[in-house]
Amino acid sequence: GAVVSQHPSRVICKSGTSVKIECRSLDFQATTMFWYRQFPKQSLMLMATSNEGSKATYEQGVEKDKFLINHASLTLSTLTVTSAHPEDSSFYICSASGESSYNSPLHFGNGTRLTVT
Amino acid sequence: GQQLNQSPQSMFIQEGEDVSMNCTSSSIFNTWLWYKQDPGEGPVLLIALYKAGELTSNGRLTAQFGITRKDSFLNISASIPSDVGIYFCAGRDNQGGKLIFGQGTELSVKP
Repeated sequence: GAVVSQHPSRVICKSGTSVKIECRSLDFQATTMFWYRQFPKQSLMLMATSNEGSKATYEQGVEKDKFLINHASLTLSTLTVTSAHPEDSSFYICSASGESSYNSPLHFGNGTRLTVT
Repeated sequence: GQQLNQSPQSMFIQEGEDVSMNCTSSSIFNTWLWYKQDPGEGPVLLIALYKAGELTSNGRLTAQFGITRKDSFLNISASIPSDVGIYFCAGRDNQGGKLIFGQGTELSVKP
C-alpha cells in the first residue's frame, strides 16, 4: 500500500533557529501533499496544501513566511519552521495523494514532534 | 468554513462491546474517511467511502456514507484492547482535495 515517510520523527531546537521537516512518498508519485499541525488532545488542523512545482496554498491564519513549504519533486515536500518559538512546539504531520487526487485516500506520515526550547 | 462535528468525544467500554461513533457536516463532502491514531503516530486509514449510501466493512469495522453526503458513522463490533486510540472522521472536498477532520473520539477498552 501507499507509504508516506516523514523525517525526523522528533526534533528539539533552540528558540530562533529553523527546522526542516521532510515528507516523502515512497511508492507513488504525490502531486499534492498536505501539512497538518496537531496540538495535544486536539484534532489535525490543515496548515497548507503543497502542489509539485508551484507555490503552496496556506490556510487562513498560517504565516507563509514562517512555515516555508517546498514541493520540488513528485516524491518530496519539505516544511521549514523559520525562527522557531516555543509556541511552535507541536506535532507536524504530512499526507500525500497520488494523481487521482479526488478518488484516492490520503495516507499520512508518522509525524514529527517539534519541541522548541 | 467547513466543519465536522464528531461524537462522542470519548467512550469507555468493556472488551467485547460494540462501539458506534458518527460525524455530521454542515456541507457536502465527496469522500468520507475514517482514521485511527495511536499516541505519537500519524493517522492510519481504516475505511474510505466514496458514494452516498455506501456501506463498507473492514474486518470488525463498518462505516457508512450518509445519503445526504453530510454524515457518516463508524461501528466497531466486539471491541478488543488494541482498539484503544483516537478515531477521526475526515471529509474530503473536491476543491483541492484537502481533508477536514472531526474532533476525534477517544476510545478506551477495559479488558
